[in-house]
Amino acid sequence: QKEVEQNSGPLSVPEGAIASLNCTYSDRGSQSFFWYRQYSGKSPELIMFIYSNGDKEDGRFTAQLNKASQYVSLLIRDSQPSDSATYLCAVRRGSTLGRLYFGRGTQLTVWP
Amino acid sequence: GAGVSQSPRYKVAKRGQDVALRCDPISGHVSLFWYQQALGQGPEFLTYFQNEAQLDKSGLPSDRFFAERPEGSVSTLKIQRTQQEDSAVYLCASSTRTGSRAAEYFGPGTRLTVT
Repeated sequence: QKEVEQNSGPLSVPEGAIASLNCTYSDRGSQSFFWYRQYSGKSPELIMFIYSNGDKEDGRFTAQLNKASQYVSLLIRDSQPSDSATYLCAVRRGSTLGRLYFGRGTQLTVWP
Repeated sequence: GAGVSQSPRYKVAKRGQDVALRCDPISGHVSLFWYQQALGQGPEFLTYFQNEAQLDKSGLPSDRFFAERPEGSVSTLKIQRTQQEDSAVYLCASSTRTGSRAAEYFGPGTRLTVT
């Protein structure tokens, strides 16, 4: 079982819709959770991080964390074509400070 | 500079050659990470430095891979006797703090192609 699992997609939504991206992780001791956006041919760009159970909102983005279910999600409201990218979920375990464990990413396409 | 920089951006090496990849982290960032990203995959951890100390090198795939950060700023990832399976994008990231809540910021990467 991989440390971090994501549905690789592709996920396709129309402009203006809500895109929902999901991630599960295997280590119950994981403490910090990050969402990165990666455009084709570019490097990952940090968009959200969350540490506590519940929701965290930043503009059109909302991260949701449920530690009991070992589940993290990212919601993108009012999706735009410019949101089309691969979204990477990353987790830092409590026992291994430093390294991040990444999922393989979910490819999102927002069509006009 | 404003962000993490890496050089070269692209490198083509013949099988068996040695290569050196450079990373300049954001000024003042104490933590530095190297990741390897294959096509269609998420980044895979290689190694982690806190200042000049290499605290975790568990992700280095073989003893052909070596990383250093002698003065706690610039880091070099060296790959000896390159193989085709080493072809990937090598990403460097830095962080201003240590601990579980440290957010990592990535450089543009070096795309290595071994022919």
